[in-house]
Amino acid sequence: AQKVTQAQTEISVVEKEDVTLDCVYETRDTTYYLFWYKQPPSGELVFLIRRNSFDEQNEISGRYSWNFQKSTSSFNFTITASQVVDSAVYFCALSRNQGGSEKLVFGKGTKLTVNP
Amino acid sequence: DAEITQSPRHKITETGRQVTLACHQTWNHNNMFWYRQDLGHGLRLIHYSYGVQDTNKGEVSDGYSVSRSNTEDLPLTLESAASSQTSVYFCASSESGRGRMGTQYFGPGTRLTVL
Repeated sequence: AQKVTQAQTEISVVEKEDVTLDCVYETRDTTYYLFWYKQPPSGELVFLIRRNSFDEQNEISGRYSWNFQKSTSSFNFTITASQVVDSAVYFCALSRNQGGSEKLVFGKGTKLTVNP
Repeated sequence: DAEITQSPRHKITETGRQVTLACHQTWNHNNMFWYRQDLGHGLRLIHYSYGVQDTNKGEVSDGYSVSRSNTEDLPLTLESAASSQTSVYFCASSESGRGRMGTQYFGPGTRLTVL
């Protein structure tokens, strides 16, 4: 079964704190992709990153970084020096490789609130 | 700039009525998807299409239908709206072909209320 678990339902931090959002996934596929999306209060879904199962290198983009570890089936997302504009719901997602089809399975999201 | 749009952005309807939500993308993507977002459930796949005349059911397809007559559009129809279909609906598209995973880009969403 394909499953994504974001155990942290809500996180609240003070501006400039570092925060890590956890994502644990389950899949039997050897080839798969992992994604993070951001949903700010305005409601749209913004693509942040895509990672394939063969690339375990960590990625950094400005204040954002991602740690992919196949050994623990985790794809965690860290925001360094958080800002109020980072307040949003963040979704981790896993591609399903079922009969050649392309489907995304989403976690239930982590609501991050960054307080000034 | 290429984009994906949804209309209407907000809709209130009554139980039993037929409702159609529009999704239009100008990226020329082959793949299009419809999701619903509900509190406590995250996003769940309703229907998807890998190209013109191709449609497939997702995990929560009961009560919904789609048709794909061109590359740009994938309208979602609620045949007989029910209160349980009150939700926020997102359309998405991606650039890869069957078996080659792409990145899904989402429209702004449609908030549907069924009274």
